[in-house]
Amino acid sequence: QKEVEQDPGPLSVPEGAIVSLNCTYSNSAFQYFMWYRQYSRKGPELLMYTYSSGNKEDGRFTAQVDKSSKYISLFIRDSQPSDSATYLCASYNFNKFYFGSGTKLNVKP
Amino acid sequence: GAGVSQSPSNKVTEKGKDVELRCDPISGHTALYWYRQSLGQGLEFLIYFQGNSAPDKSGLPSDRFSAERTGGSVSTLTIQRTQQEDSAVYLCASSPSLLAGGGTQYFGPGTRLLVL
Repeated sequence: QKEVEQDPGPLSVPEGAIVSLNCTYSNSAFQYFMWYRQYSRKGPELLMYTYSSGNKEDGRFTAQVDKSSKYISLFIRDSQPSDSATYLCASYNFNKFYFGSGTKLNVKP
Repeated sequence: GAGVSQSPSNKVTEKGKDVELRCDPISGHTALYWYRQSLGQGLEFLIYFQGNSAPDKSGLPSDRFSAERTGGSVSTLTIQRTQQEDSAVYLCASSPSLLAGGGTQYFGPGTRLLVL
C-alpha cells in the first residue's frame, strides 16, 4: 500500500464548476500536507500547505485535512481553463515527501 | 530570478550505458531533493541532501543509482548500466533549508530519460 493514494482521474468539468480533488493517506504520524499543481512538461509547483487538521483557503482554492479519516481534499471554486493540470497531493515526514499519483483535471471552456 | 535548472532536458540512451543527470539549485538553497516520475505514477522520492550530505539513501531504487552534491550547490544523479525500467522524468527540487514541516520546494523542469 502506498503511503498516499489518489484517484488518477482524469476529471473533466465545465468552466465555473466547483472541483473536488481527494487523497487518502495511511500513516497517522503525517502532520504536514501539501497540494502541488503540475502543468504538462513542467515541474510541480506548490499550491497549498496545511498542518494537521482543518481548512486553509487561498483565493479560489481551499485545502482540507481530516486526520480522523486520513483524508485530504482540495476544492477549486469557479474553475478556469487555466486550472487544467495534474494535481498532486503530498505529505511530509522525517525529511521525506510522499506523493500521490496525481489527478489530471481538464476544465472545458 | 533564476530557478532550479536541470540538464539535459532530454536524454536518450541505450540499455547498459551510464547516464549523469545534473541539477543546479536556486542559489543559497541548502536542501536539494531528487525524485523520479514515471508515466502515470506520482513522484517517487529518491534522495535528499542537506548541504553536501545525504543522510538517507534508502529511497534510491537500486545500487545502480548514486547521487552526489558538491560545494553545497550542483548535484549529479548517476544511473549505471541503465535498464528500460529506468525510463522516467527525473525531477530535482531545492528549498532554503531542510524543511521542518514540508512547505515550499522549488522544482526544476526535469530530465526526460528514455532507455532503449
